Amino acid sequence: GAVVSQHPSRVICKSGTSVKIECRSLDFQATTMFWYRQFPKQSLMLMATSNEGSKATYEQGVEKDKFLINHASLTLSTLTVTSAHPEDSSFYICSARDLGQGLRGYTFGSGTRLTVV
Amino acid sequence: AQSVAQPEDQVNVAEGNPLTVKCTYSVSGNPYLFWYVQYPNRGLQFLLKYITGDNLVKGSYGFEAEFNKSQTSFHLKKPSALVSDSALYFCAVRDLYYNFNKFYFGSGTKLNVKP
Repeated sequence: GAVVSQHPSRVICKSGTSVKIECRSLDFQATTMFWYRQFPKQSLMLMATSNEGSKATYEQGVEKDKFLINHASLTLSTLTVTSAHPEDSSFYICSARDLGQGLRGYTFGSGTRLTVV
Repeated sequence: AQSVAQPEDQVNVAEGNPLTVKCTYSVSGNPYLFWYVQYPNRGLQFLLKYITGDNLVKGSYGFEAEFNKSQTSFHLKKPSALVSDSALYFCAVRDLYYNFNKFYFGSGTKLNVKP
């Protein structure tokens, strides 16, 4: 089945630095990928929709300049948290849509635990 | 607007007993409903979906869900729980009108299955 690989699984960074998270579709092409954020004991909230070859579409309230998204190829999207602060600490999950699987074709990555110290 | 509610933060059940994880929804138009499971520090895994057809939907790992239009519910069920079913379960609905790709997730229900 469709597999989405997300790296790193865990990252600890100092406040003020930037962190890049990668999301790859391993066995299918994904023109659209999605980035979610999950706070402890809360649900997933869609941050942005990443479109291959064009600008990402951000959800209301998400800072575009802070959460930079690049979808340069059909199998890779990256999320860069710029000038990270402790409040950015969270669990980030990407998702990619495999058009070949119809409506069930949204495959989620294993997530990245970001801790900003 | 689309929304999903999971009224229980946690459900405890003994191994071998039936389990139910509750979900209610609010949508404009016909609902596309999903259940996902999340193990610690892992991404979400698809369990099952309801698009149309039979109200009882069967999914992975022996789970099933019953769509009830009059009660706007989509409860997840399993006849006999396993300790390995312990995880975080999310109900979700798709937004078909404003953003076809957007999922609205419930707050999640932690399922604890005790030996």
